[in-house]
Amino acid sequence: AQSVAQPEDQVNVAEGNPLTVKCTYSVSGNPYLFWYVQYPNRGLQFLLKYITGDNLVKGSYGFEAEFNKSQTSFHLKKPSALVSDSALYFCAVRDNYGQNFVFGPGTRLSVLP
Amino acid sequence: DVKVTQSSRYLVKRTGEKVFLECVQDMDHENMFWYRQDPGLGLRLIYFSYDVKMKEKGDIPEGYSVSREKKERFSLILESASTNQTSMYLCASTSPDGFNTGELFFGEGSRLTVL
Repeated sequence: AQSVAQPEDQVNVAEGNPLTVKCTYSVSGNPYLFWYVQYPNRGLQFLLKYITGDNLVKGSYGFEAEFNKSQTSFHLKKPSALVSDSALYFCAVRDNYGQNFVFGPGTRLSVLP
Repeated sequence: DVKVTQSSRYLVKRTGEKVFLECVQDMDHENMFWYRQDPGLGLRLIYFSYDVKMKEKGDIPEGYSVSREKKERFSLILESASTNQTSMYLCASTSPDGFNTGELFFGEGSRLTVL
């Protein structure tokens, strides 16, 4: 069965500092990995994906994520955080056998001015 | 831009009432999904549909049903609402290519409170 863990409920970072939001996964077969962001009182928005290829993928709003197969991780990163990045971040996975997406519990990111 | 519209942002219902949550998408997507979002649990799939009149159970279908009579519309039905169905409900849609690449388009959510 597929599963996603986001070990931190909350991440606090000062504006201008780098940020990391962690995600680990379990899936049979090759993983398809995704990050979504949810701003207050809004639906989820797609940020980026890893399907195959380069382990470092770049997405919207300056975010990037690194796929690490040996550690089964897909951590979200940004070199310099903005206050406007404060939101709820979800990691999601599906396998290449066509199963549906499984979402992690979410990590709340607070960027402090 | 793709737009997924959920008809009600906030609803308050009584235990035992029948509840309809409507979702409409304007991009001719084949795939549509209903999730519920609860703190600490993330998103859990209730039902999904790959085409008109087709529906498949997700991970937590108990207490829910769905209807897809037209391609653009996917309705979630709570036949007899209960307090444990108080939650945020999210509708999403995508094309077959989008399903493969993970690009789901979400509505803004319907926050349901059952008293």
